[in-house]
Amino acid sequence: TQLLEQSPQFLSIQEGENLTVYCNSSSVFSSLQWYRQEPGEGPVLLVTVVTGGEVKKLKRLTFQFGDARKDSSLHITAAQPGDTGLYLCAGAGANAGKSTFGDGTTLTVKP
Amino acid sequence: DAGVIQSPRHEVTEMGQEVTLRCKPISGHNSLFWYRQTMMRGLELLIYFNNNVPIDDSGMPEDRFSAKMPNASFSTLKIQPSEPRDSAVYFCASSPRGPGGYTFGSGTRLTVV
Repeated sequence: TQLLEQSPQFLSIQEGENLTVYCNSSSVFSSLQWYRQEPGEGPVLLVTVVTGGEVKKLKRLTFQFGDARKDSSLHITAAQPGDTGLYLCAGAGANAGKSTFGDGTTLTVKP
Repeated sequence: DAGVIQSPRHEVTEMGQEVTLRCKPISGHNSLFWYRQTMMRGLELLIYFNNNVPIDDSGMPEDRFSAKMPNASFSTLKIQPSEPRDSAVYFCASSPRGPGGYTFGSGTRLTVV
């Protein structure tokens, strides 16, 4: 079983601050996704990374896939209240048709 | 595309009753997943289908749960009989071939009293 550990579990910050959340595993993944989930809705895909060392940027969000493809990070610059939500990472093995989800990081950005 | 469509959005039922959750995946997606989300256990994969065929149902809690995908545009998850511990949000998701990630529906919030 491939397990993904996310940290921190909860994060509460002020608007304008920067933050980083982490997704770690002892398993190698062929691809890794980040999702954001808002209350009452399903997770929404933010990004997919597939190459070790890959960095992708989505406006104020920067995603990095570890060189060994076992871990990933999400960095948010100048956080806004609209960034509030549950951030989930999910990884898929090379021959797996399914992804394993971490338990998520609940982010609250206070105005 | 309207995305992944789930119905109903909310379901309240009494213990022992049958519950059927429905999902319409995105047209052209060949994989469909049923997840359950609770505060205690997070997102749990119940079952997934490739090209309408069930591939892995190891996450289905017990025989009270069953899922079908009679065609590429429709799937159901049935609980019979339902129990209070089945209360959760049930999500359906679909994905195309490749590592692109999933598109989730808005979920069905099930409450069994």
